[in-house]
Amino acid sequence: DTGVSQNPRHKITKRGQNVTFRCDPISEHNRLYWYRQTLGQGPEFLTYFQNEAQLEKSRLLSDRFSAERPKGSFSTLEIQRTEQGDSAMYLCASSSEGQFNEQFFGPGTRLTVL
Amino acid sequence: GNSVTQMEGPVTLSEEAFLTINCTYTATGYPSLFWYVQYPGEGLQLLLKATKADDKGSNKGFEATYRKETTSFHLEKGSVQVSDSAVYFCAWNTGGFKTIFGAGTRLFVKA
Repeated sequence: DTGVSQNPRHKITKRGQNVTFRCDPISEHNRLYWYRQTLGQGPEFLTYFQNEAQLEKSRLLSDRFSAERPKGSFSTLEIQRTEQGDSAMYLCASSSEGQFNEQFFGPGTRLTVL
Repeated sequence: GNSVTQMEGPVTLSEEAFLTINCTYTATGYPSLFWYVQYPGEGLQLLLKATKADDKGSNKGFEATYRKETTSFHLEKGSVQVSDSAVYFCAWNTGGFKTIFGAGTRLFVKA
């Protein structure tokens, strides 16, 4: 399978703990995106990488959130001192550098903060 | 502001019924328009797209036409199947990094 993969698929944590998610994009894609999706809503943009450079961050991404893509391949999203409001599905997507920017999504990581 | 408005679900239809899911958008510039589908337990998949006014995107029997004058991109299918049960998201992108999604419309198709 050469699609976007995400790990873990599910994460349950206690409030105040740190969590880290991983995304492996489609290998030839140089763009990588993180979105957050809450129940009954569409995905909301969090951040975007072109190769290893993080070029945009949403205002939704508080100081407790950090994302990296150190070698321009896989990416990690870390949430420090988790809060119950962080409970959501975290989606990763990737795309090639093209005008119409078709994004391919991974299955997501569902985070539950108790 | 920039947004997508979709008809609220759930939409419940019998097999072979006609489907319409309305979508209107507010965007600056000339966006590309998309419909994504999310089947139970799976990630979002691109269903179809249209990149300029009057373009018609189509896939798996679904169609949507880019109507710039009404800023709409309604999804239609002539005869739905049980396997079409999913959540459908309308979205747009101006060729930049961010895709703006609607809230999604859940479709249930009964046998």
